[in-house]
Amino acid sequence: QSVLTQPPSASGTPGQRVTISCSGSSSNIGNNYVYWYQQLPGTAPKRLIFRNNQRPSGVPDRFSGSKSGTSASLAISGLRSEDEADYFCAAWDDSLSGLVFGTGTKVTVL
Amino acid sequence: EVQLLESGGGLVQPGGSLRLSCAASGFTFSSHAMSWVRQAPGKGLEWVSTISGSGGSTYYADSVKGRFTISRDNSKNTLYLQMNSLRAEDTAIYYCAKGAGAAEELTNWGQGTLVTVSS
Repeated sequence: QSVLTQPPSASGTPGQRVTISCSGSSSNIGNNYVYWYQQLPGTAPKRLIFRNNQRPSGVPDRFSGSKSGTSASLAISGLRSEDEADYFCAAWDDSLSGLVFGTGTKVTVL
Repeated sequence: EVQLLESGGGLVQPGGSLRLSCAASGFTFSSHAMSWVRQAPGKGLEWVSTISGSGGSTYYADSVKGRFTISRDNSKNTLYLQMNSLRAEDTAIYYCAKGAGAAEELTNWGQGTLVTVSS
């Protein structure tokens, strides 16, 4: 049972901006960093955003992360066909003493 | 280049045991926490367990606590997951992942190994 809530799906046409929300609580997002992972079809997850809004080298600046209170967001600007994937948020949960993932959002490029 | 290669998955009967391994290379293994994350078919990601670089601290999801044991052999650059009393709901792809400065930051992931629990 996921502790972090995401919309199940999001979509846009090429070039559009898509935003994915991630809702948690004070024990996870409210008090810890948020991470985002991208999972392309049939592959392992890949780190996309770390420490709320930092991009690893090699991740395009079209991807950006933000956090406010107990919620976080991932924005994809200039949407491209290769962005079709599942996206998961994650954060450490102090109450559970464990890592919690979001429910996942499938992004479709129309 | 960081490489993580899982092995040991397969078909096992309910109540059975299995040990997964994750061979690591391309980084100083003992300096990094390591984690196991699983994904049931068609489902989302579920964190299973994390172990500190020294092996002195371990953390488990409630769903596996008391049944699974995470360990590591820093001399062999290998991470393990001993899974006992397996249940149908443990069926999933199991990924090993390398931690960063914060253990919960999973910087690199292996390709995964499939565990199927069925009679």
